[in-house]
Amino acid sequence: AQTVTQSQPEMSVQEAETVTLSCTYDTSESDYYLFWYKQPPSRQMILVIRQEAYKQQNATENRFSVNFQKAAKSFSLKISDSQLGDAAMYFCAYRSARSGGSNYKLTFGKGTLLTVNP
Amino acid sequence: NAGVMQNPRHLVRRRGQEARLRCSPMKGHSHVYWYRQLPEEGLKFMVYLQKENIIDESGMPKERFSAEFPKEGPSILRIQQVVRGDSAAYFCASSPSKGGGSEQYFGPGTRLTVT
Repeated sequence: AQTVTQSQPEMSVQEAETVTLSCTYDTSESDYYLFWYKQPPSRQMILVIRQEAYKQQNATENRFSVNFQKAAKSFSLKISDSQLGDAAMYFCAYRSARSGGSNYKLTFGKGTLLTVNP
Repeated sequence: NAGVMQNPRHLVRRRGQEARLRCSPMKGHSHVYWYRQLPEEGLKFMVYLQKENIIDESGMPKERFSAEFPKEGPSILRIQQVVRGDSAAYFCASSPSKGGGSEQYFGPGTRLTVT
């Protein structure tokens, strides 16, 4: 079974600074997707960024980028120029891409609570 | 295009009562997934449904929990005889197709409190 581990329960960053959130995962599969979701106090789950394992290039969405290290099974999220609105719980998630299997099931880590200080 | 709708947003039930949580998927989406978030935890998969079919209920407790997605109307997650341990946020997600590159879009969740 796949597992996702977020080793930082809480992180803080100064406004306009850069912060990196860590995520590691365990899987025996070679084809999968990785995600970062943001959950603000409203509790709505918002997709921040997605990475396909077969792509070597790291995904980027505006101020959000990932460092995907497939051999190390590591998938960190970098937030540049942090803004007050970035304060939220961030969840790393895994989903298999194997056809015919449970490739619809998202497996989440426990989350990292990010505080942005003005 | 309206997003995934869930209601109610907050639900309070006494121990032993029934809880009914509703999820209306995005227009054109026929695949629905339910996840549960216990306090201080990430979301955990409960069940995957297509119209009129339960595809995978491996994450759902065997007793007291049931789910349906009828031909017409929203998907319903039902919890009978609720206990304090059922207090959690329940999220519904929908997708236009199964797996692969198909994205799951989440609703705002229903927070269930059992007193």
